[in-house]
Amino acid sequence: DAGVTQSPTHLIKTRGQQVTLRCSPISGHKSVSWYQQVLGQGPQFIFQYYEKEERGRGNFPDRFSARQFPNYSSELNVNALLLGDSALYLCASSRPGRQGVIYEQYFGPGTRLTVT
Amino acid sequence: AQKITQTQPGMFVQEKEAVTLDCTYDTSDPSYGLFWYKQPSSGEMIFLIYQGSYDQQNATEGRYSLNFQKARKSANLVISASQLGDSAMYFCAMREGRGGSQGNLIFGKGTKLSVKP
Repeated sequence: DAGVTQSPTHLIKTRGQQVTLRCSPISGHKSVSWYQQVLGQGPQFIFQYYEKEERGRGNFPDRFSARQFPNYSSELNVNALLLGDSALYLCASSRPGRQGVIYEQYFGPGTRLTVT
Repeated sequence: AQKITQTQPGMFVQEKEAVTLDCTYDTSDPSYGLFWYKQPSSGEMIFLIYQGSYDQQNATEGRYSLNFQKARKSANLVISASQLGDSAMYFCAMREGRGGSQGNLIFGKGTKLSVKP
């Protein structure tokens, strides 16, 4: 089975531009989460989507937005890019579960965004 | 306050020896999960092992085992018989049960493990 896929692999943008990152979850996974990992740090949670609805949002400005499609793939959009947005953006998917049941998240290879 | 603390920025281990990577956590939620991920230089986060807060026994997956001490709120990763390919960043993460399966992962700052031949 294919793992989580992300596109593009690398991206270079200039300040003020907008970027869209894409993610396809593992088949059968309905939950998708986005994380930002700046150099030397652990990943920071940005968004989680489950069944096309936003179920969680981390401490990120409104310049960050996301959505999930009927096939459970997802896009992360970042507007008005800043130099500080340069990071590895990771997408993760997990199985659907019941309230209180915790499943592991599987990560994609990430998109490395450089803002100049 | 940090929810996940990894106090070892870097660790060295001789090939074929065992190594323990430390992780302590903080939560008031009785239901939570603890995870370890490996991140090679390529960047992908690779899931290694999971321990649920209600699990009675320590989790094991091949050469990986999780030393879960609930009262001390620690979840140390033990890698036995280290291999050169184990050289990578290792992240401890927690997912709280509040919010059900929709809870996000909270990561520590990571430990860089270097395996010496």
